[in-house]
Amino acid sequence: GENVEQHPSTLSVQEGDSAVIKCTYSDSASNYFPWYKQELGKRPQLIIDIRSNVGEKKDQRIAVTLNKTAKHFSLHITETQPEDSAVYFCAASTNWKIIFGKGTRLHILP
Amino acid sequence: DTEVTQTPKHLVMGMTNKKSLKCEQHMGHRAMYWYKQKAKKPPELMFVYSYEKLSINESVPSRFSPECPNSSLLNLHLHALQPEDSALYLCASRNPGVYNSPLHFGNGTRLTVT
Repeated sequence: GENVEQHPSTLSVQEGDSAVIKCTYSDSASNYFPWYKQELGKRPQLIIDIRSNVGEKKDQRIAVTLNKTAKHFSLHITETQPEDSAVYFCAASTNWKIIFGKGTRLHILP
Repeated sequence: DTEVTQTPKHLVMGMTNKKSLKCEQHMGHRAMYWYKQKAKKPPELMFVYSYEKLSINESVPSRFSPECPNSSLLNLHLHALQPEDSALYLCASRNPGVYNSPLHFGNGTRLTVT
C-alpha cells in the first residue's frame, strides 16, 4: 500500500521568511497530491493540490512542486505570516485512497 | 460554515454503550470517507464508500460499523468501544467522477470512551 513520508516534523521560521516541507511517496500509481492545513481543534482544509501531469503549481504565497521520477513533492510558503502557524499534512491519492503524511507543525516566529 | 456536517460535535460513551456518528453532505459527491485522528497524528483512513457501496475497509475492528443509507448520508455505528478508540472522527466527501479531486472534511466528532 501507499506510504507517505513527511519532513520535518517541526519547523520554525521567522515571520517573512520562507518555509519548505517535503514529502515522499511509495506507490508509483499515486496521481494526486493535496496539501492540507489544520489549525488546533479544527478540520483539515485544502490549501493547494497538484496532479501527476503537472510539475509545479502556485497560488499566491503557496507553491507545490512534484518530481514523479523521484516520487517526492514539496510545499513552499513564501513571506510567512503569523496566521500560517498550523499543522500541515501532505497526502497522496491512488484511486479512492488518500493517505496522509505524519504532518509538520509550522511555527512562525515574530 | 462547512459543506459536510457531522453530528454530534462531542460524544462521551461508556464501553458498553451503542452510539452512532452521523455525516451529511449536499454537494452531490458520491464518495464518502471516515477517518480517525488521534492527537498530534494524521488522519487515518477507516472506510470509503463509493456510490453507496463499501469499497475500502482498512482492517477496522468490527466494533466500528459503517453505513451509507443514501448518497448524502454516512453513519458510523459504535459498539463496545475501548478507551483507545477515543479520537476525533472525521467524515469527508469527494467527487468520484474525477479521481483527482480533494476531500472536503466535516468538523468532526470528538469521541471520548470512558
